[in-house]
Amino acid sequence: DQQVKQNSPSLSVQEGRISILNCDYTNSMFDYFLWYKKYPAEGPTFLISISSIKDKNEDGRFTVFLNKSAKHLSLHIVPSQPGDSAVYFCAASDSGGGADGLTFGKGTHLIIQP
Amino acid sequence: DTGVSQNPRHKITKRGQNVTFRCDPISEHNRLYWYRQTLGQGPEFLTYFQNEAQLEKSRLLSDRFSAERPKGSFSTLEIQRTEQGDSAMYLCASSFRNEQYFGPGTRLTVT
Repeated sequence: DQQVKQNSPSLSVQEGRISILNCDYTNSMFDYFLWYKKYPAEGPTFLISISSIKDKNEDGRFTVFLNKSAKHLSLHIVPSQPGDSAVYFCAASDSGGGADGLTFGKGTHLIIQP
Repeated sequence: DTGVSQNPRHKITKRGQNVTFRCDPISEHNRLYWYRQTLGQGPEFLTYFQNEAQLEKSRLLSDRFSAERPKGSFSTLEIQRTEQGDSAMYLCASSFRNEQYFGPGTRLTVT
């Protein structure tokens, strides 16, 4: 049973436009959510996180929105740049990233078109 | 660079051999995690250390997998009697609070 789901395996967006990546979760015990970016042959790079006590967190071009009632979060990238082309993973934790580690989705491959 | 480092980056081994991977976390991080990632999947949590104590190991894939973190610094992940199904990327991460920072991974190929 997949507790974190990223239903879009890939997404293509024009440079300069907004990229919206979606993530759904089923475990109501999750209280901390993170987005990671991964290039081929590299480890995931931390992008942005949000605690369940908030509904929005912003860092530069990246904004994460959390809708707890819908068990849904999204990552907005504005404006999208060619270097944003990568695989994006949504991850969740129910203990602040402690003993249970993080539970990841399968990822969305974002392609920024020139 | 003071990020998480992992060695080796690539390992090719024959089925039945033992392999050991090393992870050096960010120096001030007391938490260390191991994950496995296979093609088309997100990283899968394996085990967790807080300082030198292994607080979670029930998610290790089988008793052929073991991990250590002597003195609470670097960590090693050992796979005994490797099988072809062990072929994957093995990732290490460290943290001080909630955000985990990953190393580049060790890609294991079992032939």
